[in-house]
Amino acid sequence: DGGITQSPKYLFRKEGQNVTLSCEQNLNHDAMYWYRQDPGQGLRLIYYSQIVNDFQKGDIAEGYSVSREKKESFPLTVTSAQKNPTAFYLCASTSGTSGSREQFFGPGTRLTVL
Amino acid sequence: GENVEQHPSTLSVQEGDSAVIKCTYSDSASNYFPWYKQELGKRPQLIIDIRSNVGEKKDQRIAVTLNKTAKHFSLHITETQPEDSAVYFCAAPSKGGTSYGKLTFGQGTILTVHP
Repeated sequence: DGGITQSPKYLFRKEGQNVTLSCEQNLNHDAMYWYRQDPGQGLRLIYYSQIVNDFQKGDIAEGYSVSREKKESFPLTVTSAQKNPTAFYLCASTSGTSGSREQFFGPGTRLTVL
Repeated sequence: GENVEQHPSTLSVQEGDSAVIKCTYSDSASNYFPWYKQELGKRPQLIIDIRSNVGEKKDQRIAVTLNKTAKHFSLHITETQPEDSAVYFCAAPSKGGTSYGKLTFGQGTILTVHP
C-alpha cells in the first residue's frame, strides 16, 4: 500500500474553520487528483494537477482550494465556503504517460463538521 | 464532458453465482475503461481495464466486455466468493483528460456475496 499517503485519517472541524488535508506520493507521478466520496454518488473530482505549479478545477471545486508547489505534494484546503464538507476525501495520482493510466489512491481522510 | 451511468446500485448474489455490473458512457471518443474495487474502509484499487481496440478482456474470474457502438461496458465476476463483496466503480476518461488519466467515475455498485 505504499506510494501515496494521506493525513490525517480522521478530521473534525467546527463550522467556519478552514482545514487542510495532506496528500503525498513518492511514485514520481506527474498528475494528482482530489476526489470527494459520498454514499451513492461515486467519486467526484474536486481539483486535479498535471504538473507542478499548475492545477485545474474539477466538477465540484467550489469551497475548496489546492496548491502544487512540489511534485510529490498536493494539499487540499476545505474552506468555510464549502456548505456541506462532511465526506470521505480521496487523493490519487497517475504517471501521466499514455502508457499507464492507472490511478493510485491514498487511504483517504474522513472529514466531519461538528 | 463525459457522463458515466452505472447499474445496479446494489447487487446481492449467492456464493458461486455470477455477478454483472453495467456502465454506459456518453463520449464516443473515450478509449479506456477501468474498473475499481473498494473494500469496506479501504482505498479503491484497479482490478481490470480495457482499451477500445479490444472487445473483451479476462483475468481469472473477472472479465470486462466493451460495446463501442452502444457505448457500454460491463464487469463480469464468475464463481463469486464472499471476499468479492465490495463497492465496484467503473470509469471513463473525462473530456480533455485522455493524456493525463483524468477520469469520470460511475456511481458505484455495492456487491454483497452471501455464503
